[in-house]
Amino acid sequence: GAGVSQSPSNKVTEKGKDVELRCDPISGHTALYWYRQSLGQGLEFLIYFQGNSAPDKSGLPSDRFSAERTGGSVSTLTIQRTQQEDSAVYLCASSLLVGIAGGGDEQFFGPGTRLTVL
Amino acid sequence: AQSVTQPDIHITVSEGASLELRCNYSYGATPYLFWYVQSPGQGLQLLLKYFSGDTLVQGIKGFEAEFKRSQSSFNLRKPSVHWSDAAEYFCAVGARAAGNKLTFGGGTRVLVKP
Repeated sequence: GAGVSQSPSNKVTEKGKDVELRCDPISGHTALYWYRQSLGQGLEFLIYFQGNSAPDKSGLPSDRFSAERTGGSVSTLTIQRTQQEDSAVYLCASSLLVGIAGGGDEQFFGPGTRLTVL
Repeated sequence: AQSVTQPDIHITVSEGASLELRCNYSYGATPYLFWYVQSPGQGLQLLLKYFSGDTLVQGIKGFEAEFKRSQSSFNLRKPSVHWSDAAEYFCAVGARAAGNKLTFGGGTRVLVKP
């Protein structure tokens, strides 16, 4: 089936504007992750959703960042009042969480959204 | 807390030569370990993973990696490199107890000389 998709693929915005990034996970995957890849910080975890549990927001860098996952499927990452340091590639991944017996909890990554804040 | 170190930022290798990328991790229990590859402008593709069992794991594109608990290492190897292997490689560690969120190393960029 289809892999993880993200939109838009590129986003250019002005400092201070809000942006929304979308992730469509693989159908049936219960876990969804957001990561950020930037020159200065490398690849870093942002937030994790698993089923109906409260999300793990421990990686969000500031309260300007938020995310939601509607209906256990599509997720939106919102960055308010964007700053130049928010420029990065935002990656989404999804996983089935089958455990070791099922071959392990592999994460499948989308192509990313490249965000540029001017 | 989990951490991953990839000591080599860049490696240049001749086509047909062998390749070894180093990865050291820090985690209290047995982690899940992964190697991903990222070609320019592309997303992350999983090369191989270790969850349990045989410590030598085979992956796609002729890559293999060996989990050595005593050295906290998970080095990636390929016997004969092809020009298409030029890319950036990331080692990552995750743990089910932590929701499987991945901690990545800084990456190793591999250049292949003809």
